[in-house]
Amino acid sequence: GDSVTQMEGPVTLSEEAFLTINCTYTATGYPSLFWYVQYPGEGLQLLLKATKADDKGSNKGFEATYRKETTSFHLEKGSVQVSDSAVYFCAPMFNDYKLSFGAGTTVTVRA
Amino acid sequence: DTAVSQTPKYLVTQMGNDKSIKCEQNLGHDTMYWYKQDSKKFLKIMFSYNNKELIINETVPNRFSPKSPDKAHLNLHINSLELGDSAVYFCASTGTQFGEQYFGPGTRLTVT
Repeated sequence: GDSVTQMEGPVTLSEEAFLTINCTYTATGYPSLFWYVQYPGEGLQLLLKATKADDKGSNKGFEATYRKETTSFHLEKGSVQVSDSAVYFCAPMFNDYKLSFGAGTTVTVRA
Repeated sequence: DTAVSQTPKYLVTQMGNDKSIKCEQNLGHDTMYWYKQDSKKFLKIMFSYNNKELIINETVPNRFSPKSPDKAHLNLHINSLELGDSAVYFCASTGTQFGEQYFGPGTRLTVT
């Protein structure tokens, strides 16, 4: 069946370090792919998305590319800030209306 | 203006009680959701309504009953609360079947 696997955390980084969070999926079709972020004490919000192969989503310095050949959607940021400390969720949409969330990766950025 | 709002923000209650959580969205969306987030941050979809019709009903104890009085509101009623029901419950909405979901701030339910 359809499934998503996300790199487990927690991840602790220093400011200006490079961040990558791996996300791979297994699907019978071609899902739309999302990354959501949850800041402490808040609900989730969309960080970026990609709807077809080779699309690149980007927002707030984060990027992720829809890789059909490797069924991956890895999240990257070149230089993190303390304000990027949050939980990040990879979320393919395998079926209409229904997101399937990865386990979440907690990222802490130290000054 | 808050797009998706939930009340209450915190709910502390005893085992065996019945409680409700309310959700409202002012985005004009047709589809609304309830999610449960456990202490390890794992998110699980519970229910979804589209135009007041139930379209997603995951494996959830029948003590949980959603109600959608209109497109802008989706409430969650929980009977006979158990310790394992302690979690953060999020409401969300979307305007399209493949689109972004907008989440509320969450309701932290603690069952003692």
